Amino acid sequence: GQNIDQPTEMTATEGAIVQINCTYQTSGFNGLFWYQQHAGEAPTFLSYNVLDGLEEKGRFSSFLSRSKGYSYLLLKELQMKDSASYLCAVPSNDYKLSFGAGTTVTVRA
Amino acid sequence: SQTIHQWPATLVQPVGSPLSLECTVEGTSNPNLYWYRQAAGRGLQLLFYSVGIGQISSEVPQNLSASRPQDRQFILSSKKLLLSDSGFYLCAWTEGAARTQYFGPGTRLLVL
Repeated sequence: GQNIDQPTEMTATEGAIVQINCTYQTSGFNGLFWYQQHAGEAPTFLSYNVLDGLEEKGRFSSFLSRSKGYSYLLLKELQMKDSASYLCAVPSNDYKLSFGAGTTVTVRA
Repeated sequence: SQTIHQWPATLVQPVGSPLSLECTVEGTSNPNLYWYRQAAGRGLQLLFYSVGIGQISSEVPQNLSASRPQDRQFILSSKKLLLSDSGFYLCAWTEGAARTQYFGPGTRLLVL
């Protein structure tokens, strides 16, 4: 099975950088996903990492270390609209996703 | 392009009443389909998934059931709702062997 751990809450100031960590334990690794979920809305796909290293998409970057069972999502130049829950997820071998409980990020002016 | 629809968007039902939530996907064939529930302030719980017509896998024993009568249609049902069935119900799909799941807008269910 999969065990996923991420912080419950984080607060940061507009324009700052925030790093959301995710550690996982899985019987078979098939990549790691990050989703963003605004309050009252459905999750939206942010990134999918299969190989070690950093992948950048505009203000958001995602990092993976398979040997350490560790990933982080980096949010740069924070904007108020980035206030949301960020979900780390690991797929199982038969295409199910196991989600972490999510990290609620609050951006303050 | 692919789109996913869910209805209704919001539903208020009395305890003991039946339930039927529908999810349809457009612009793709033979998707994998998923039903999740998210209780208030909680994480996503996978309820059912389907890899083809008539093929349903149940993840959590409960008073809910799912059906897939057509390739791009996924239905979540209950004969008698419980208070604990309240939550945000999300349908998701993947295309072929791809692992990225895309979510529908969700149905917010309140059981009173």
